[in-house]
Amino acid sequence: DGGITQSPKYLFRKEGQNVTLSCEQNLNHDAMYWYRQDPGQGLRLIYYSQIVNDFQKGDIAEGYSVSREKKESFPLTVTSAQKNPTAFYLCASRPSGTYEQYFGPGTRLTVT
Amino acid sequence: QKEVEQNSGPLSVPEGAIASLNCTYSDRGSQSFFWYRQYSGKSPELIMFIYSNGDKEDGRFTAQLNKASQYVSLLIRDSQPSDSATYLCAVNPEGSARQLTFGSGTQLTVLP
Repeated sequence: DGGITQSPKYLFRKEGQNVTLSCEQNLNHDAMYWYRQDPGQGLRLIYYSQIVNDFQKGDIAEGYSVSREKKESFPLTVTSAQKNPTAFYLCASRPSGTYEQYFGPGTRLTVT
Repeated sequence: QKEVEQNSGPLSVPEGAIASLNCTYSDRGSQSFFWYRQYSGKSPELIMFIYSNGDKEDGRFTAQLNKASQYVSLLIRDSQPSDSATYLCAVNPEGSARQLTFGSGTQLTVLP
């Protein structure tokens, strides 16, 4: 089955720890995105990548890092520098030449 | 200043009625417009996109775009309880390299 997978579904961490969220797609999409969603709010862009080995900061990149070593994979690291990391994290991908983005199931991160 | 505005609701309609969801955007050069449905605790699902002024119909859903007035709307005919969700409007602002800016969503409840 083609699709976007994110793991884990739920993640719990202690404050001060870095944590990496996985995002994999087998849709052959070139572009991939990471968003954060807080309760009652829309999606805010963290990072995006339009091609392997290249990525750009979104609106709220501070405290996050990414890599894009393979077309299929775009992991997000939430570092200890992120002041309010508890949120719902969504990965999306976009087929080349289009504007539509398709989302994975999300990872709900709780930091205490 | 937010670039995409939606009435947060909640909007309640009886089963079988038409639900009307509205979205306004600030960037006059925006070219592409999207509606996503997000069930509670789940990730957004793309349900409609529209690029040209006028109406676009897909089953019970109709997207309407008026670029002169800078608004896009989603009509859901014959609303069902299963349509109860938050609906996110997304816009591709001019010059944004195919990025999307999301509104904060309108919560719709269809009453049986």
